Order: sequence, then structure tokens, then C-alpha cells
Amino acid sequence: DTAVSQTPKYLVTQMGNDKSIKCEQNLGHDTMYWYKQDSKKFLKIMFSYNNKELIINETVPNRFSPKSPDKAHLNLHINSLELGDSAVYFCASSPGPRGYGYTFGSGTRLTVV
Amino acid sequence: AQTVTQSQPEMSVQEAETVTLSCTYDTSESDYYLFWYKQPPSRQMILVIRQEAYKQQNATENRFSVNFQKAAKSFSLKISDSQLGDAAMYFCAYRSAGWGGADGLTFGKGTHLIIQP
Repeated sequence: DTAVSQTPKYLVTQMGNDKSIKCEQNLGHDTMYWYKQDSKKFLKIMFSYNNKELIINETVPNRFSPKSPDKAHLNLHINSLELGDSAVYFCASSPGPRGYGYTFGSGTRLTVV
Repeated sequence: AQTVTQSQPEMSVQEAETVTLSCTYDTSESDYYLFWYKQPPSRQMILVIRQEAYKQQNATENRFSVNFQKAAKSFSLKISDSQLGDAAMYFCAYRSAGWGGADGLTFGKGTHLIIQP
């Protein structure tokens, strides 16, 4: 069983559309994250949820809205997609307080045309 | 805010030789974790090695070892007996050991490692 699974792996969509990326972890971890990897491979955290509560919300346009229905899921919804949103989005999880074992999903390559 | 700097955008090494990737970081914290991640063309992020700042002993994982210099805020990765499968982007990352464990990773910009056969 995949520990952190993201769907879809690839997403091609037109500007202005709304799309969602789903993430699920079966590790029993308390904390989940979304990271964005840009075209230059730079990885930056977007959001962090701890037990369904938003902890980190970096400077991300409010078109991006994370949703955590339960501890094992953290979905990313993006409204009004723009060309600059094209990137690879990674979901990750960690055990929580003082837990430093991050596990990443395999990433979702989003292409906005 | 913490920053992580990888000064080598690209490194090349002959197969079976040893290569060292550099990483420096800036923080005012005393307790934190440091990581090296490998990202092959498959784009999967793979944890290579990690180090707790309170441990003086350098971490090792088979052919991978680190040189952790806390005072100098340096965390280099040494890969011994390089193999073709080591070719990838390598990212150095920092994480605070502070409240809640919900702090994210701060990444460097990565080093592209090429293995010459």
C-alpha cells in the first residue's frame, strides 16, 4: 500500500478552470503538508495541517484552498487557474510533534494552458 | 526565518568515486533537524539521510554520510562509491524542532548530481 498517495499524477487544464488535487496518507500521521515545486525545482511549503487544523499558510494566493476532512486526507483546491500555477505539487505527512519522519507523495504535475 | 543554501547547482563525478555536496543554513534556533533528499527523474522525493542538531555524531546510511558542523552551520553530504543510480537532484532541508512538529521543511535550491560512467 502506498503510504502517501496523490491523485491525479498529471493534470492539464485551461486557464480559469477550477481543479482539485487529493492526498491521502495511511501512516497514521498527525500532520500533512502541501509543497509546490516550481519550474526551477525549488520546493516551498504552502500549507500545513495538524489534526485537521491549519497551522501554516504561507504567502499563497487565496485561490488556493486546502481542505482536511479528516486526519488522513488533505486536499488542495485551486480556483481560477493561472499559467503561473503550473508546477509540481507534493503532499507530505509527518508524525507530528517532534516527529521528523517526513513521507512525500509522488507529486502532481499541474500544467495550465 | 531560516534559510538553506546549496552553492553547487551541478556536480559531476565518475562512477565509483566519492563526491561531496555542500549545504549551509542560517538559523537562530538551537534544536532542529537537517535532511538530505534525493529526487530522481521520477520526481519522487526520497529521504537519504537525516541529522538531529543535538547529536554530535555524524549520521551515516551505507554509502551516504554527512559532515555536520553546527557552529559553522554546515551540513555536507558525502556519497562514496558513486553509482549510476545516484544521479538525481539532491536537496538539503531544515526543519525546526519547535512547537507542534507542524513546521514545514525549508529547502535549498538543489544540486544536480551527474554520474559519469
